[in-house]
Amino acid sequence: QKEVEQDPGPLSVPEGAIVSLNCTYSNSAFQYFMWYRQYSRKGPELLMYTYSSGNKEDGRFTAQVDKSSKYISLFIRDSQPSDSATYLCAMSPANQAGTALIFGKGTTLSVSS
Amino acid sequence: SQTIHQWPATLVQPVGSPLSLECTVEGTSNPNLYWYRQAAGRGLQLLFYSVGIGQISSEVPQNLSASRPQDRQFILSSKKLLLSDSGFYLCAWSVPGTGTLQHFGDGTRLSIL
Repeated sequence: QKEVEQDPGPLSVPEGAIVSLNCTYSNSAFQYFMWYRQYSRKGPELLMYTYSSGNKEDGRFTAQVDKSSKYISLFIRDSQPSDSATYLCAMSPANQAGTALIFGKGTTLSVSS
Repeated sequence: SQTIHQWPATLVQPVGSPLSLECTVEGTSNPNLYWYRQAAGRGLQLLFYSVGIGQISSEVPQNLSASRPQDRQFILSSKKLLLSDSGFYLCAWSVPGTGTLQHFGDGTRLSIL
């Protein structure tokens, strides 16, 4: 079983739709959960950061962590064409220097106008 | 504010040739520095990290090496490139003492012929 599983998509939605992106993981030691957005031929950009379980909201983005189910989600409200990108989840058991983030393979999202 | 620079953006090299990729960070002191590789269809894989000048930790055995000659400079090298070294190489940094909030550069796309 892979440590982090993420559906690669592609996921296509119309402008204004609510988008749900998800990752599952197997390592119960993960405590820190991140979502990155990566545009084509660019580096990943940190979008959301959550410690342990719960929800975090930032504008149109909401991150949810359910540690009991080993399941994390990113919701995008009122999706825009500029949201078209690959979304990567990442997680880590610790916040120490030199920590290797464990990434999902990414979900490609396309928002049409 | 902090910025991270990688160059070159694109590189095409023959098999057996040497490699040198450079990454520099501005706006912070003593950052933790990381080299990742992103291969097609695979997640990001941590190659090296550094918590200080001259301090390099390797995460996977490979044909590559890393060096940190200055506080905010991180170099990825190879003496003889293999076809399997093709990929998207990303440099990242995090605040000293932490490891989860990693910020990425825009990467170098390396093609081996």
